[in-house]
Amino acid sequence: AQRVTQPEKLLSVFKGAPVELKCNYSYSGSPELFWYVQYSRQRLQLLLRHISRESIKGFTADLNKGETSFHLKKPFAQEEDSAMYYCALSQEGHSGGSNYKLTFGKGTLLTVNP
Amino acid sequence: DTGVSQNPRHKITKRGQNVTFRCDPISEHNRLYWYRQTLGQGPEFLTYFQNEAQLEKSRLLSDRFSAERPKGSFSTLEIQRTEQGDSAMYLCASSLRARASPDFGPGTRLTVL
Repeated sequence: AQRVTQPEKLLSVFKGAPVELKCNYSYSGSPELFWYVQYSRQRLQLLLRHISRESIKGFTADLNKGETSFHLKKPFAQEEDSAMYYCALSQEGHSGGSNYKLTFGKGTLLTVNP
Repeated sequence: DTGVSQNPRHKITKRGQNVTFRCDPISEHNRLYWYRQTLGQGPEFLTYFQNEAQLEKSRLLSDRFSAERPKGSFSTLEIQRTEQGDSAMYLCASSLRARASPDFGPGTRLTVL
């Protein structure tokens, strides 16, 4: 069965420090991985997806199939990065192919202190 | 606001009562998803519609739960004979096509007393 593990429930860093939010997954097929973010009192929103290979708000994430990881990194954290971060995996749907039924991790609450 | 909307935003009910939630997806989106999120957990998939057809249901969706999307636009999620364990945030999401990650609504927070 597919599973997404985010080992850290809480992560606290100082402004300007590097930050890494860990995500490991288990899935027998070819996964698509995502990071979603939820700022205080806002809805869940997509931060980035591995197939885009882009940097959003200074965040990057590389899919490492050997280590089954998709860690989220930012070299210099900002106070506005404080939020809940969820790693998610897209699995094949009913009729085959990715239909974006997502399996989420439990999330990591990032706090960036001034 | 042209995003996914959900009503009501909060619902408090007594155990044993029935509740119904509504989701209005982004207008051109033909795919609609329901997720449930309990405290300290990430969202968990409940069910999925493509247009009006319900294509997939999670084992989490017991027979007390029913979802509909009658005209392929808005969707409703009904919980009959609510239990305290049903207390959660119910999230709706929609997407235009299979290769698009879904847009999430603000959620409906259900509290069963």
